[in-house]
Amino acid sequence: GQQVMQIPQYQHVQEGEDFTTYCNSSTTLSNIQWYKQRPGGHPVFLIQLVKSGEVKKQKRLTFQFGEAKKNSSLHITATQTTDVGTYFCAGPPGTYKYIFGTGTRLKVLA
Amino acid sequence: GAGVSQTPSNKVTEKGKYVELRCDPISGHTALYWYRQSLGQGPEFLIYFQGTGAADDSGLPNDRFFAVRPEGSVSTLKIQRTERGDSAVYLCASSLRAGGMYNEQFFGPGTRLTVL
Repeated sequence: GQQVMQIPQYQHVQEGEDFTTYCNSSTTLSNIQWYKQRPGGHPVFLIQLVKSGEVKKQKRLTFQFGEAKKNSSLHITATQTTDVGTYFCAGPPGTYKYIFGTGTRLKVLA
Repeated sequence: GAGVSQTPSNKVTEKGKYVELRCDPISGHTALYWYRQSLGQGPEFLIYFQGTGAADDSGLPNDRFFAVRPEGSVSTLKIQRTERGDSAVYLCASSLRAGGMYNEQFFGPGTRLTVL
C-alpha cells in the first residue's frame, strides 16, 4: 500500500536555529497538507499545496511541493519554543483518503 | 464558532465489549473523516464520509469496525468485540467539502479508547 515517510523522526534544535522536515510518498499525490500536533493535542492544519513545484510561505515557515508531486518539505527559520510539536504531512493519492506521514517531532531548546 | 467535538473523551472497556464513539462535526461541513492514532504514530485513515454515505471505508481494519452518519452531520464509530489492539486515540475531522480549495481538515480532541 501507499506509504508516506518523513525524516528525520526526531529533531532537537537550539532556539534560533533553522529546522527542516522532509516528506516522501511512494505514490504521486493530488495535493499535500501539513499539520502540527502539540504534545497531548490534536493535529492542526497549517497549509495545503496543490501544484507541482509550489512554494508557500507563512511567516517563518516555508513549504514546498516537489515537481513530481511525491515529496514535500517544511522549513522553519529561526525556531522558537512555540514551534515545539510533531509535524505531519498528509496527502491523498487520488481520492480523498488522506495518508499521514510518520511525523517529525521537533524539540526546541531555549 | 464551535469546533469538532467528540464524546466520550476517554473510554475504558473490557475485551470483548461493544463501544460507540461519537463525533459532532462543524456545522455545514459535508466531509467527515475518522482516524486512529497510536502513541508516536501519525493518524491512520479509517473511513471518509461525503454527506451521509461512506465514500471510502478501505481503512477499517476488519468487520468489527463500522461507522454511520445517518443525517449527514453527527457520526458514530462502532467497534464490536473489542480487542486490546484496538486501544488508541480515535480522531474525527471534518472539512467544508472534499477536494478543491476547501478541504482543510479540522480535528476534534479525540477519544482515548483503552481496552483492558
